[in-house]
Amino acid sequence: DQQVKQNSPSLSVQEGRISILNCDYTNSMFDYFLWYKKYPAEGPTFLISISSIKDKNEDGRFTVFLNKSAKHLSLHIVPSQPGDSAVYFCAASGDYGGSQGNLIFGKGTKLSVKP
Amino acid sequence: DTGVSQDPRHKITKRGQNVTFRCDPISEHNRLYWYRQTLGQGPEFLTYFQNEAQLEKSRLLSDRFSAERPKGSFSTLEIQRTEQGDSAMYLCAIPKSHGYTFGSGTRLTVV
Repeated sequence: DQQVKQNSPSLSVQEGRISILNCDYTNSMFDYFLWYKKYPAEGPTFLISISSIKDKNEDGRFTVFLNKSAKHLSLHIVPSQPGDSAVYFCAASGDYGGSQGNLIFGKGTKLSVKP
Repeated sequence: DTGVSQDPRHKITKRGQNVTFRCDPISEHNRLYWYRQTLGQGPEFLTYFQNEAQLEKSRLLSDRFSAERPKGSFSTLEIQRTEQGDSAMYLCAIPKSHGYTFGSGTRLTVV
């Protein structure tokens, strides 16, 4: 069973508009959440993270929102740029089942930002 | 420069052959992680090291897989008797203050 779910395989957005990528999780023991961006043939690149004690974290054009009661987080990119076109992965971490620090990833959402 | 160097970037091998990948963090880190990413999936945890000690192995890591970190710096991941299902990108990662830094990965294709 998937503990981290990204239900939208793809998203297309016009340049300058907002991109909203969603992620749901099932394990309430997760206490740290991360978003990664990945280009083909490269490793994932860290974007932004949020601890479970917060509900929002902002870094430039990127903002992550966490709704613990709904077990839901989202990444907002404003304004979207063509260079943001990539696959975005949501990941979660926590001291669950004895594993310390390894990440559980969703399947990713492919974002296309059209000029 | 991601801070984690992986070699080779690409490897094509025939089914049944053995392959070995290497991961070199540029600076010292106690922890080092291996992940695997197949098409359409996110990266999946394989194993991690605390210094030289391999502390956890995923059930994805069959007996044909072995990983080492002999001096607590670089790490190797070996796959014996490769199968077509082993085709994937193998990623190495080290923890950073707010996240994990991944290497560029080794793309393995088993033909």
